[in-house]
Amino acid sequence: GQQVMQIPQYQHVQEGEDFTTYCNSSTTLSNIQWYKQRPGGHPVFLIQLVKSGEVKKQKRLTFQFGEAKKNSSLHITATQTTDVGTYFCAGGIQGAQKLVFGQGTRLTINP
Amino acid sequence: IAGITQAPTSQILAAGRRMTLRCTQDMRHNAMYWYRQDLGLGLRLIHYSNTAGTTGKGEVPDGYSVSRANTDDFPLTLASAVPSQTSVYFCASSDLYGNEQFFGPGTRLTVL
Repeated sequence: GQQVMQIPQYQHVQEGEDFTTYCNSSTTLSNIQWYKQRPGGHPVFLIQLVKSGEVKKQKRLTFQFGEAKKNSSLHITATQTTDVGTYFCAGGIQGAQKLVFGQGTRLTINP
Repeated sequence: IAGITQAPTSQILAAGRRMTLRCTQDMRHNAMYWYRQDLGLGLRLIHYSNTAGTTGKGEVPDGYSVSRANTDDFPLTLASAVPSQTSVYFCASSDLYGNEQFFGPGTRLTVL
């Protein structure tokens, strides 16, 4: 079935370092969404990318959607302790309202 | 109510017992979803509903059933719970076009 692979599973950085998580799909996606889940919390929507090659920025966060609409990345510049959490990508399936979630990347930060 | 609510917050259940997890949204969203979250496996879709009166199977539907009698409520039932159903369960909803999903606070279920 449809699979969305996300790497790395864990990432530990020093505060101020950059962080990137990558997402790859076995098939072409209609869109890619990114969610953040704080420890003990629930996933919260960050952004949706729809167009091939799209790049969007939210302050220190940069999101990219690949040209083939099969991969995506989230890059955080100069991490802060408030960035701690698990980041999930979720691929939209063509013709359906379902999302397939990646396994998530858990980010921890040394202050 | 603001957003999505789930009940109970947590539950310990004996194997073989029947259990219904409740989910209610007040955003008039057409689509609703049930996920389970297990360490290292991310969020896996159990069942979904695109609109009241319709439901569909997700990635891991076995052992679970759902109903969608109205727009607001989407209960998830475990007919006969097994230990492998120990997990955190999240309900979510979205608009008709599959945009942003809003998640409930989750239910932590332990089956012994």
